[in-house]
Amino acid sequence: SQQGEEDPQALSIQEGENATMNCSYKTSINNLQWYRQNSGRGLVHLILIRSNEREKHSGRLRVTLDTSKKSSSLLITASRAADTASYFCAIRETSGSRLTFGEGTQLTVNP
Amino acid sequence: NAGVTQTPKFQVLKTGQSMTLQCAQDMNHNSMYWYRQDPGMGLRLIYYSASEGTTDKGEVPNGYNVSRLNKREFSLRLESAAPSQTSVYFCASSEAGAIYEQYFGPGTRLTVT
Repeated sequence: SQQGEEDPQALSIQEGENATMNCSYKTSINNLQWYRQNSGRGLVHLILIRSNEREKHSGRLRVTLDTSKKSSSLLITASRAADTASYFCAIRETSGSRLTFGEGTQLTVNP
Repeated sequence: NAGVTQTPKFQVLKTGQSMTLQCAQDMNHNSMYWYRQDPGMGLRLIYYSASEGTTDKGEVPNGYNVSRLNKREFSLRLESAAPSQTSVYFCASSEAGAIYEQYFGPGTRLTVT
């Protein structure tokens, strides 16, 4: 199955800066989802964006989807130390019934 | 609501031993999933249950069996544990398939020696 690929693998920024993470995939999708995982915890759903949507917002989070480039980005604005976590994209292919997860981006926000 | 609960939180097994990981959700979700996560990697799907009474293999089903006991509960069994099954196991649920977001349990950290 097709896995989303996140970029970068690791990102270290200062509090107050913006963080951008990218996800690329190779097939057609029904939706793309972003999750956060704090160290030693389960995943928490952040945003789901469907293939006919281009942008979604949730608080300080902004997700874009470009189906022509088969890519998505997650922007966290005005980052906080509490945003330190791993962020995963997950794709649901048009022809499939399951989510496949990428390997994640480790974000560190330094106070 | 407790959401998705998993037991146990930690387990150490010797090679060849068996065990069952338990998962329950109280959100009246139709679909449930078992994933494993290895260091530095994303989640890989072991088995899933699209609805009560059905189960299907995921990406890495070998060495595992599952039971969808009822709508709330979905268990994962290791019949003969191997060191390669050392991992963190996550259960998740969703309303219906992958068109909706998934809700995850806190995980079970399993070590096989």
